[in-house]
Amino acid sequence: GQQVMQIPQYQHVQEGEDFTTYCNSSTTLSNIQWYKQRPGGHPVFLIQLVKSGEVKKQKRLTFQFGEAKKNSSLHITATQTTDVGTYFCAGHISGTYKYIFGTGTRLKVLA
Amino acid sequence: GAVVSQHPSWVICKSGTSVKIECRSLDFQATTMFWYRQFPKQSLMLMATSNEGSKATYEQGVEKDKFLINHASLTLSTLTVTSAHPEDSSFYICSAKHRESLLSGANVLTFGAGSRLTVL
Repeated sequence: GQQVMQIPQYQHVQEGEDFTTYCNSSTTLSNIQWYKQRPGGHPVFLIQLVKSGEVKKQKRLTFQFGEAKKNSSLHITATQTTDVGTYFCAGHISGTYKYIFGTGTRLKVLA
Repeated sequence: GAVVSQHPSWVICKSGTSVKIECRSLDFQATTMFWYRQFPKQSLMLMATSNEGSKATYEQGVEKDKFLINHASLTLSTLTVTSAHPEDSSFYICSAKHRESLLSGANVLTFGAGSRLTVL
């Protein structure tokens, strides 16, 4: 079946350092979304990417969708302690309503 | 913004009993809701897609007789864990699909706060 993998699984960074998580799908996606889940909380929508090669920015966060629409990345510049949480990508499977969540990357930011 | 209310937020039950979890979209209509299961420090595993007025679509490996889903109205979907056993203990979370905004047109998932089930 369809799989969406993320690397790394965990990342510890010093506050102020950059962070990147990569998302790879076994199949081509129609679009991809990114969510953040704080410890003990539920996932919260961050952004959606639709077009091949698309790049979107939200303040210190930069999101990219690969040319083949099978991979994506999230880059955080100058991390802050408020960035702590698990970041999930969710790939939309064409022809269905389904979103398959990636394995997640848990980010810890050390002050 | 769109809000999804899920309750109970946590429940403890005895083995063999059934537990019902409700998921409501408060300020929008949700023709489609999704039920996920999340084990500690793991990803969200899609269990089933709940469609208003029709039968739910279950993912491979999910027992439909074990996890009963009902989507009787445009704002309510329920998940009933029947004859629960300790291995059913998990975090269950629902989400509803809606449009983020007319500008972006993105179909976004808004999640409920989740329900933590512990089966003794």
